[in-house]
Amino acid sequence: NAGVMQNPRHLVRRRGQEARLRCSPMKGHSHVYWYRQLPEEGLKFMVYLQKENIIDESGMPKERFSAEFPKEGPSILRIQQVVRGDSAAYFCASSKTSGSIYEQYFGPGTRLTVT
Amino acid sequence: KNEVEQSPQNLTAQEGEFITINCSYSVGISALHWLQQHPGGGIVSLFMLSSGKKKHGRLIATINIQEKHSSLHITASHPRDSAVYICAVSRKGGGADGLTFGKGTHLIIQP
Repeated sequence: NAGVMQNPRHLVRRRGQEARLRCSPMKGHSHVYWYRQLPEEGLKFMVYLQKENIIDESGMPKERFSAEFPKEGPSILRIQQVVRGDSAAYFCASSKTSGSIYEQYFGPGTRLTVT
Repeated sequence: KNEVEQSPQNLTAQEGEFITINCSYSVGISALHWLQQHPGGGIVSLFMLSSGKKKHGRLIATINIQEKHSSLHITASHPRDSAVYICAVSRKGGGADGLTFGKGTHLIIQP
């Protein structure tokens, strides 16, 4: 049973370009979470999605960032017009169930470098 | 003040030593998670607990809900245990919401 998959593992973008990060949850999981880890900082929640729905985007920057989890295919985190401050590791995690007690399984992360 | 505080921030120990990492939180939680991250690597979930104690191999995690405190112990530590250990909480009443993380404890085990 494959774990959570993320691609690409490393992404280099110039300032002003768009970055698309993909996350395929574990088989049977319909809940996806995106987290960001800035250099020398801790992990921060960005957004929580279920299939075709954004449930909680309270951690997402208001501009340039968007996320989706379509009925078919991976979840996508999209960053438009990237700036140097977007350089970070972006992790996605998935879980099987909703409810107050659940376990999240993390992907290997995408390291975004903005030059 | 952060909602999840870990101590120590950095810890260097000799192989074989007993290691303790502490986590305190200030919000109501439904579960507490201990995660491990190797340099440049992914994140592995070690434990999820809402009460009592769990053990897996040389790792033990405990939680005291009344005191809002959890500890992660490593017995007979080994250089391969060198990693960042992160405490995270699921906030109470929010359903399957995102985790809130501590800043992590950088552990180095010297041979």
